[in-house]
Amino acid sequence: KNEVEQSPQNLTAQEGEFITINCSYSVGISALHWLQQHPGGGIVSLFMLSSGKKKHGRLIATINIQEKHSSLHITASHPRDSAVYICAVMNYGGSQGNLIFGKGTKLSVKP
Amino acid sequence: KAGVTQTPRYLIKTRGQQVTLSCSPISGHRSVSWYQQTPGQGLQFLFEYFSETQRNKGNFPGRFSGRQFSNSRSEMNVSTLELGDSALYLCASSLGLAGGTQYFGPGTRLTVL
Repeated sequence: KNEVEQSPQNLTAQEGEFITINCSYSVGISALHWLQQHPGGGIVSLFMLSSGKKKHGRLIATINIQEKHSSLHITASHPRDSAVYICAVMNYGGSQGNLIFGKGTKLSVKP
Repeated sequence: KAGVTQTPRYLIKTRGQQVTLSCSPISGHRSVSWYQQTPGQGLQFLFEYFSETQRNKGNFPGRFSGRQFSNSRSEMNVSTLELGDSALYLCASSLGLAGGTQYFGPGTRLTVL
């Protein structure tokens, strides 16, 4: 079983829809990251959070440490939001080293 | 500020050869981490360097090594290349150790024939 699980693996939405991507993890963490990867490979860090909720524009990230779960929400989705969204947990000093990544959620937003 | 740069962007090698990839972090960033991304395994952590010292290492064989210079630039080396080493190699820099926002470079696409 992967230590970081994301759902869904693939998501297709219509422009304007509210989107939720989920991330569950099984290890102790010091922080959780949400990353965005566009075709071509470039990765952008969207959020780093260790508790509560963060908001940036149309993106909202929440984390529940007790339940070991985080969600990434996109409000009023747009075709330019189409990308792979990756959840990664910081398990510093653990057996896998630094960041442990989920497999990603491929989001496609249709106009 | 200039972003993280990686060179070369694309590389083709044959089995048994070795390869060196370079990463220049954002000015002022002292931590550089390396990651491997493949379709099968996704993103995996290779190692992290801070102040010229390897601070953390992932589960990769000893053929994968790296170093960091006094100006924080980092190189990673893969010796005796195998077909399975074909991947996108990403580096990321951050201000300090153990967390903090990581800024990723564009990656080096390595193909091993």
